[in-house]
Amino acid sequence: RKEVEQDPGPFNVPEGATVAFNCTYSNSASQSFFWYRQDCRKEPKLLMSVYSSGNEDGRFTAQLNRASQYISLLIRDSKLSDSATYLCVVNLIGSQGNLIFGKGTKLSVKP
Amino acid sequence: DAMVIQNPRYQVTQFGKPVTLSCSQTLNHNVMYWYQQKSSQAPKLLFHYYDKDFNNEADTPDNFQSRRPNTSFCFLDIRSPGLGDAAMYLCATSRDRGPETAKNIQYFGAGTRLSVL
Repeated sequence: RKEVEQDPGPFNVPEGATVAFNCTYSNSASQSFFWYRQDCRKEPKLLMSVYSSGNEDGRFTAQLNRASQYISLLIRDSKLSDSATYLCVVNLIGSQGNLIFGKGTKLSVKP
Repeated sequence: DAMVIQNPRYQVTQFGKPVTLSCSQTLNHNVMYWYQQKSSQAPKLLFHYYDKDFNNEADTPDNFQSRRPNTSFCFLDIRSPGLGDAAMYLCATSRDRGPETAKNIQYFGAGTRLSVL
């Protein structure tokens, strides 16, 4: 089983749509969780950290389910500028806290 | 202003010709990382420095070396680039490492895209 698994997509959605991404991780002892966004041929940029209580930043909502080892990202009212690859990232306990990246889910928002 | 700066943005080298990529940071972070990312793949950690302490990943080829002469700078040396080493190389920093979420957020430079002819 891969350490961090994501649906690769692509997700093709119209502007204004709500889209949800899911991610599962294999190491139950992981303690830090993030969503990063990566535009084509650019570097990953932190979108948001994910906490057990769930957190929201504008149109973006992240949820963590430790029992199921599952992380989600919800984007409401999609904009054209949301088109990117969304990377699920988890720290790896026992490896000095190094982060493990999922392969990412590609989102394409169409007019 | 960019806080993690990589130079050059694009690098072309010949098969077997050594190449050095550079990274600098203005964040005064303890940890600096080098990743390799190929098309449609996740970034792959090559190694990282925790202060002056070098930490190599087990599957990083010997062809890849790194130097961190001071807190601000870190270099990636590819001793004999092969065609398979063509990729985006990403430098990242974090304040610290370990389980505490806020401390291990990683900030990336814009990357160096390496082509091997």
